[in-house]
Amino acid sequence: DAGVTQSPTHLIKTRGQQVTLRCSPKSGHDTVSWYQQALGQGPQFIFQYYEEEERQRGNFPDRFSGHQYPNYSSELNVNALLLGDSALYLCASRGWGRTGELFFGEGSRLTVL
Amino acid sequence: TQLLEQSPQFLSIQEGENLTVYCNSSSVFSSLQWYRQEPGEGPVLLVTVVTGGEVKKLKRLTFQFGDARKDSSLHITAAQPGDTGLYLCAGAGNSGYALNFGKGTSLLVTP
Repeated sequence: DAGVTQSPTHLIKTRGQQVTLRCSPKSGHDTVSWYQQALGQGPQFIFQYYEEEERQRGNFPDRFSGHQYPNYSSELNVNALLLGDSALYLCASRGWGRTGELFFGEGSRLTVL
Repeated sequence: TQLLEQSPQFLSIQEGENLTVYCNSSSVFSSLQWYRQEPGEGPVLLVTVVTGGEVKKLKRLTFQFGDARKDSSLHITAAQPGDTGLYLCAGAGNSGYALNFGKGTSLLVTP
């Protein structure tokens, strides 16, 4: 049973560029959330997707956008990258209606130069 | 903004010692989770507490949820090097969708 898988694991971008991160949820899960974890900080909620729609959003600018596909996989897009966007981006999944109890992927480490 | 304050931020102890880490907030949560995160990996759920005053045990780990559902503690008995990692507490609001994480407690257990 595959857990949450994310790609790429590491990537380096320069300021102003755009990035797309991908996530496949754990088998049987239909809800995907994205979190940003800066160095020395806890994860910060970006947004959550269910049935291909954004259901809830954290305090992140519109440069952060997402998408969910019919197979429940998801993408996180960040435009006009800033140095402060450097972080570990975590994808988490769970079944709809089950509060809390998230299963996390290993994350995508983004470095913005 | 971190709604949950964790203490201590860093803890370095020797194998066999006991320790307690704390997670405090001014907000009430419908549930609270504890996760452990190792370098290069995502957080892994340890426990979920839901009822005020609830105590849960997971081998040498004891978790307690405050009566008012605003705070929690994690106690580790006879710590082992395998317990090394970042311990994160996370609270779920009434919607239950987004988790609010603390900054974590970084624990190092040396042999």
